[in-house]
Parts: sequence; C-alpha cells; structure tokens
Amino acid sequence: GAGVSQSPSNKVTEKGKDVELRCDPISGHTALYWYRQSLGQGLEFLIYFQGNSAPDKSGLPSDRFSAERTGGSVSTLTIQRTQQEDSAVYLCASSLPYNEQFFGPGTRLTVL
Amino acid sequence: SQQGEEDPQALSIQEGENATMNCSYKTSINNLQWYRQNSGRGLVHLILIRSNEREKHSGRLRVTLDTSKKSSSLLITASRAADTASYFCATDSAGGTSYGKLTFGQGTILTVHP
Repeated sequence: GAGVSQSPSNKVTEKGKDVELRCDPISGHTALYWYRQSLGQGLEFLIYFQGNSAPDKSGLPSDRFSAERTGGSVSTLTIQRTQQEDSAVYLCASSLPYNEQFFGPGTRLTVL
Repeated sequence: SQQGEEDPQALSIQEGENATMNCSYKTSINNLQWYRQNSGRGLVHLILIRSNEREKHSGRLRVTLDTSKKSSSLLITASRAADTASYFCATDSAGGTSYGKLTFGQGTILTVHP
C-alpha cells in the first residue's frame, strides 16, 4: 500500500511568514510523529499523536510551532512567523502502536 | 537532546566487506530501531529490536542489543555500493508518557566503494 506522504516537498519562504506542512500517514496507523532534521541539531522529535489521546508536544521548540491531526488521519504542522533557524527538513512518520515507524520523504523548508 | 551515540562517525569499505556500526544510549529503552537515509531525505526502517531481544536478522543485516551495556550494533554483511548511506539508531525510551517517541543518534556515514 501507499507509504507516508508529505507536501510540499520543498518550501521556500521569507522570514516572518507562516507556513503549513502536511502529512498523510499510512492508512490504519493510529500514531503519527513529526521530527525535524537540521545540520546543527541532527534528528529531533517535535510532536506525537496517538489515537484520541492528547498529543505529546514536548519537542516543539517554541510556541510558534503547532500541529493538528484531523479525524485521526492527516496532520498539519504550522510554523508561525518563521525564522532562519527554522530551516530544516521536516519529517513525518506513522506507526501502529508499539511498532516501527515509517517515514515520509520530508519537506525541506528554507527560510530566507 | 541526543540519547544515542554512534561510532564510527564515518566508515569507508570495499564492496564485499562487512560493515559494523555501533550505538550506545543512556536510559532504559522499550526498543531500539535502525534506519538508513539516502541523500538527506526520507528514513528507511531497517530493523526494530525490543528490549527483551538480543539479536535479530533481516537479510544481510544483523542487529544485536546488550541492555546491560546499553549498546547495539548493526552488521551489514557482503556490502554493496548501494548500501552507501547514513545509518541511524533510534531509541524508544522506557517510562514517561509517550511510547514511541524516538531519540536519534548522530548517525554513521557508510561509503562502500565498488
């Protein structure tokens, strides 16, 4: 079946603008995760959704970052008032509970 | 913060040779996962090993886990040029409220020369 998909694959924005990144998980996967990968920080956890439970937002770096998961499926990561340090590849993953995570191809965000 | 530390940071070998990468971590885990990444984009899942397991195999891959030493190793046998990639270990730490939140190591860059 289809894997995790993300859009857009690349996003260039100006400092101060808001961006939305989308993730479509594998059908039937109840867990969805966002990570980001940057040269200086490596791969970092951002936020985790599991079923109808409250999301674990412990990895979000600031209140400019937020995420939603609608209907237990598609998720949107929103970054408000983007800064240059937000430039990174944003990766989404999904899984069945307690199992391996499958990653999407990522969105490369460049903030000018 | 990075829980896992991997070594070596870079490994260069000839096709046909074996490649071994190591990962150490700091806290108790539920499981440890190995991933491969090509060209800085999507991560490909290789193997998940649970805390009560000591060894797992998948094709040319062999993963070991020593929870007493808080370490794991990934062995790729009979390497191919197509194995050239970055390899990451990721730990799912025990305790806390979120099962499944992965903490990644810095990765090992493997280059296999034809």
